[in-house]
Amino acid sequence: DGGITQSPKYLFRKEGQNVTLSCEQNLNHDAMYWYRQDPGQGLRLIYYSQIVNDFQKGDIAEGYSVSREKKESFPLTVTSAQKNPTAFYLCASSITEPGANVLTFGAGSRLTVL
Amino acid sequence: AQKVTQAQTEISVVEKEDVTLDCVYETRDTTYYLFWYKQPPSGELVFLIRRNSFDEQNEISGRYSWNFQKSTSSFNFTITASQVVDSAVYFCALITGLTGTASKLTFGTGTRLQVTL
Repeated sequence: DGGITQSPKYLFRKEGQNVTLSCEQNLNHDAMYWYRQDPGQGLRLIYYSQIVNDFQKGDIAEGYSVSREKKESFPLTVTSAQKNPTAFYLCASSITEPGANVLTFGAGSRLTVL
Repeated sequence: AQKVTQAQTEISVVEKEDVTLDCVYETRDTTYYLFWYKQPPSGELVFLIRRNSFDEQNEISGRYSWNFQKSTSSFNFTITASQVVDSAVYFCALITGLTGTASKLTFGTGTRLQVTL
């Protein structure tokens, strides 16, 4: 079955460490997205990519970095510059035709900074 | 600017009760899409419905129904005869323009529904 796989599901990090969250999709979708979810705040867009080797900042990109070397993969690195990284991170994908805006989500990764 | 308000933070109902989740949106655009997503305890959001601004017909899918009213800028979601499996966080979302991509989605803060026996 096609879908999005995020790993790890739970991750603990010490302050000052970078961590990378994995996101892999086999839906053949061109566009991929990273969202951050905090209690009571809904989903906020971190980065998105509509094509391989290209990505754009979302609303809260500071302290994060991404790469898109393969269509299937869109890893997110949470750097030490992110002031409050403890959150639930969701990866999503979609096709890129005009008006194509239904997202398919992964199961998320919960990052806790100790 | 666009905004989605889900004023109900948390709702608790007993199984078989009907429940309505409210969604109020703000946009100056005359063309837009509205969405509902369900986030069960497993974490992934699941798409439920998309409705464009030109289609105000209400929709029913099994126990789920949606009431879209442009006059009040609302897109409410009703679950009839709720079940424990309906327990989840439900998000309403908005994107303006009929060609807008998902990068322009605005999500509400979500409503947590707890259905108990």
